[in-house]
Amino acid sequence: GAVVSQHPSWVICKSGTSVKIECRSLDFQATTMFWYRQFPKQSLMLMATSNEGSKATYEQGVEKDKFLINHASLTLSTLTVTSAHPEDSSFYICSAITGTYEQYFGPGTRLTVT
Amino acid sequence: AQKVTQAQTEISVVEKEDVTLDCVYETRDTTYYLFWYKQPPSGELVFLIRRNSFDEQNEISGRYSWNFQKSTSSFNFTITASQVVDSAVYFCALSEETRDDKIIFGKGTRLHILP
Repeated sequence: GAVVSQHPSWVICKSGTSVKIECRSLDFQATTMFWYRQFPKQSLMLMATSNEGSKATYEQGVEKDKFLINHASLTLSTLTVTSAHPEDSSFYICSAITGTYEQYFGPGTRLTVT
Repeated sequence: AQKVTQAQTEISVVEKEDVTLDCVYETRDTTYYLFWYKQPPSGELVFLIRRNSFDEQNEISGRYSWNFQKSTSSFNFTITASQVVDSAVYFCALSEETRDDKIIFGKGTRLHILP
């Protein structure tokens, strides 16, 4: 199956700083990618849809100025958590859709804000 | 209302027992997809199955089987002869054609297989 990678796999940052997470589709082009977050022992919650060449669309309750999404190319979407705070600590997972509408998930990025 | 309901929060069974994980979904779309994913402690989601709304055939893959019943809006997952390696969180999920194929997850069932 198709492969989606995320970088970094884990990151620790200080409160008030920003951190960027990359999501790449390694062997296919993805016009659409999704970003999810998962708190410990909870389910995955969809944050936003990342569209290549256009602005991301955010789910209700997700602050778009806090979570900046850039889908710069057909194989790369980035999520930047701006002015991170401890409550932003979470597991962030991306997914990408292939041309045949199959969806593949990345391995996730664990963010810890101290 | 929850679109995907996994009523069992946590289940523990002894190894070699069979276990069924329940999933009930809600949608008004006629075209939709249902999924099951496994999430081991490492966190990476493992895709198990995708079933479209027009295919109600049950599926078996090794020790895994799925029962899709549109009449009851259920898509249950059974593990036969469970093994310790099956211990994980299992998510049932739904994507709807009218929601741009966004996958919505249930809350998950944490499965413990006891040796």
